[in-house]
Amino acid sequence: EVQLVQSGGGLIQPGGSLRLSCAASGFTVSDNYMTWVRQAPGKGLEWVSVMYSGGSTYFADSVKGRFTISRDNSKNTLYLQMNSLRAEDTAVYYCARFLYNLYGDLWGQGTLVTVSS
Amino acid sequence: EIVMTQSPATLSVSPGERATLSCRASQSVDNNLAWYQQKPGQGPRLLIYGASTRATGVPARFSGSGSGTDFTLTISSLQSEDFAVYYCQQYNAWRALTFGGGTKVEI
Repeated sequence: EVQLVQSGGGLIQPGGSLRLSCAASGFTVSDNYMTWVRQAPGKGLEWVSVMYSGGSTYFADSVKGRFTISRDNSKNTLYLQMNSLRAEDTAVYYCARFLYNLYGDLWGQGTLVTVSS
Repeated sequence: EIVMTQSPATLSVSPGERATLSCRASQSVDNNLAWYQQKPGQGPRLLIYGASTRATGVPARFSGSGSGTDFTLTISSLQSEDFAVYYCQQYNAWRALTFGGGTKVEI
């Protein structure tokens, strides 16, 4: 079955770090444009980061310098390392496969990150 | 950044009725627009891309139209499983993908 299964997330204090994981099955992460999108409570969707098949990475200005995106090809898994977390980073984070880096045809179930003291 | 504005924020319809959702871009995105459906506790589901092409497995009652700055998602006859939140997303500016604020379709 083609799917994305997410893990990680939870409650973290401001300034802390967290790593989200997104395990893929049925397709190869490294052959695709893999994206993180977040959704703050009661809000809409916000693009966060993308990793191209070739390895290039891009970030939203709101997270640039604090978040990194990576992948482990042997585990077929995408990661989002989040450092220096702020209250405004509180959201459900989704990983997704974006065809041609344009639109998401496959999404994970989401994982909640709560940044609070 | 291209700002996507959806209207209305909430649409109240009865099963079997037609629903028309709007999405407006702050500048032209040609036909580089996608629509998603999101149900509580789930990730978004791709419905439409290229403004009017249905994704695999999407029922024919869903149709998309428009180009440039004004787009419409139409659900011809609402089924119970269609009550959800719908988002548009532009990918004309592919290094700055942006989404609309969503339209909730409720009974």
